[in-house]
Formats: sequence, C-alpha cells, structure tokens
Amino acid sequence: DAKTTQPTSMDCAEGRAANLPCNHSTISGNEYVYWYRQIHSQGPQYIIHGLKNNETNEMASLIITEDRKSSTLILPHATLRDTAVYYCIVRVNRDDKIIFGKGTRLHILP
Amino acid sequence: EPEVTQTPSHQVTQMGQEVILRCVPISNHLYFYWYRQILGQKVEFLVSFYNNEISEKSEIFDDQFSVERPDGSNFTLKIRSTKLEDSAMYFCASSSGSSYNEQFFGPGTRLTVL
Repeated sequence: DAKTTQPTSMDCAEGRAANLPCNHSTISGNEYVYWYRQIHSQGPQYIIHGLKNNETNEMASLIITEDRKSSTLILPHATLRDTAVYYCIVRVNRDDKIIFGKGTRLHILP
Repeated sequence: EPEVTQTPSHQVTQMGQEVILRCVPISNHLYFYWYRQILGQKVEFLVSFYNNEISEKSEIFDDQFSVERPDGSNFTLKIRSTKLEDSAMYFCASSSGSSYNEQFFGPGTRLTVL
C-alpha cells in the first residue's frame, strides 16, 4: 500500500468544518483513498472513499487533488462526537487487508 | 442497520491458556478479518478468510493462532497458548466483497493475559 502522511493531531471548534489533510504522493493509478475513524477504544468505522472525483456522503466530503497526491476529508459541522483518530488509507479496492497508520487525532472543542 | 458483533467484550486469561474470541459477521458478507490493537499502538491486520480458507495472514498470525467458521454465522479466532504480549483489543471485520470492499468492524474484545 502507498504510504500516507497525516498530521498527528488537530483541533476544531464545535460547529465548524473540520478539514483533515492527507498526503499520498506515491499513490498508484488503481489505488483508492479511504478514510476510517476510530472513536476511543471502538472498532474502526468506514467514512468515505474515492478514486479521483470528489465524493460526499451523509458523514463527510472527500476532496482529492487533480494529481491525486493529496486529499482532504471534510466534516462539515463537527460535533463533540466526532472526536476520534482519523485514518487516511490508500489501497487497491480489492485488497484483503487494511494497513492502518497512526492517523490524525481530531479534538473537537466545545 | 446490520452490524458485526463480538463476544465476549472482555476476556481475562492466564498465560498459557487457550482462548476463543467469537464474532458474528454481517449476514450476507463473504470476507472476514481479524485485526488487533495493542494499547496505544496502531491497528494491525492479522488474517483474512474467504471461502472457508485463509486468504492472507500477517507475520503476527503464527502457529498459535487459528481461525474457523464453524457454522454459517460465527467466525472465531483461537489463540492456543496465550502469552503476555497477546494482551490487546481484537477486532473482527467483514465485507461483502463488492467493488468498494468496505470493511465493517465489530466493537472488539479486550483480551488481558495475566
């Protein structure tokens, strides 16, 4: 799997948009960008994924740069319940395993 | 909404004992996984299982570990002779194998080896 680089931690005020960046400069043409999160001691939770187009679902938006070397996960109106570790992962969509990095610890501040 | 369930939520065992961790994947899913997370560390892949056989395993998944799907619903991870360093959260996951291959994770079993 291509390596990703994420900031160790970020803060965001409650109600504001949380923008989490991820660099994946060595991503291959057939690799997708996936985002998962892990709320304290719970199992990882799938958020969103994309190949090259921007994607949006009920949880978040994913913005992928045109060269696909970086992406941003956007939580449009962050709540305290969004406090978690967010993992950016690149992988071929039929890969068996997910390789988790250290992720970004997002703190939502009241 | 369908979800992956795991039992027990917390298992305490003595070093050298065998433990079996149980998972009920989402009912129409075909691919099954075990991951573990040692306290304060990254989530690590252990093994994937499809069509009643292991499809991939990590270096962590040595001869002390085994997986089984004994019936149409359960998926188990057995550790034959537990060691102190096996203490961790163990997560089961499943996926349908669709083109998106989104994996759904269970809540985990916290294994404590004394």
